[in-house]
Amino acid sequence: NAGVTQTPKFQVLKTGQSMTLQCAQDMNHEYMSWYRQDPGMGLRLIHYSVGAGITDQGEVPNGYNVSRSTTEDFPLRLLSAAPSQTSVYFCASSSHTDTQYFGPGTRLTVL
Amino acid sequence: AQRVTQPEKLLSVFKGAPVELKCNYSYSGSPELFWYVQYSRQRLQLLLRHISRESIKGFTADLNKGETSFHLKKPFAQEEDSAMYYCALSAPGNEKLTFGTGTRLTIIP
Repeated sequence: NAGVTQTPKFQVLKTGQSMTLQCAQDMNHEYMSWYRQDPGMGLRLIHYSVGAGITDQGEVPNGYNVSRSTTEDFPLRLLSAAPSQTSVYFCASSSHTDTQYFGPGTRLTVL
Repeated sequence: AQRVTQPEKLLSVFKGAPVELKCNYSYSGSPELFWYVQYSRQRLQLLLRHISRESIKGFTADLNKGETSFHLKKPFAQEEDSAMYYCALSAPGNEKLTFGTGTRLTIIP
């Protein structure tokens, strides 16, 4: 049981490049979410999903896309990276009656 | 709008001294409240939630609805308590979490 996994651990992008941050969980959780963590800002919700085929925006969705084609996977896409997207990204999952489990994070730098 | 405020960005406490990390919230109704902790080089994990009324690693948190606070306390700090602590809330039955900005706790040996 790997829990919540994220890849890559580190990534450096140039402004304008696109990439996908991967998130997977093997706990059959319905709920998955993406947060970004910035100094002095805490964690802010980007997008979330309450089940396969269902996604919704969080607090800071601009510049990010998500999809949920399976229960296990919830990738986060940056369409055209900007320096303001330099951050640490965390994926989390939970079932309705349980706590949220977080992944190890992806540290992204946009030059 | 719901909001979580952690007024202290940094907190240093001597080993063996009491610890209190402050958390105030703004919410219309009765939210679910949590404390999450992130130790160095580890992922964020739940420390405790108010509905369980547990004591985890010697920490407790009391919900004060009148003051809309959920402060985290421990009577005797230990070096392994050094970490980043986040207070968070959610609407009842809703998994969406709103986090505070976090407090970095450093225990001085």
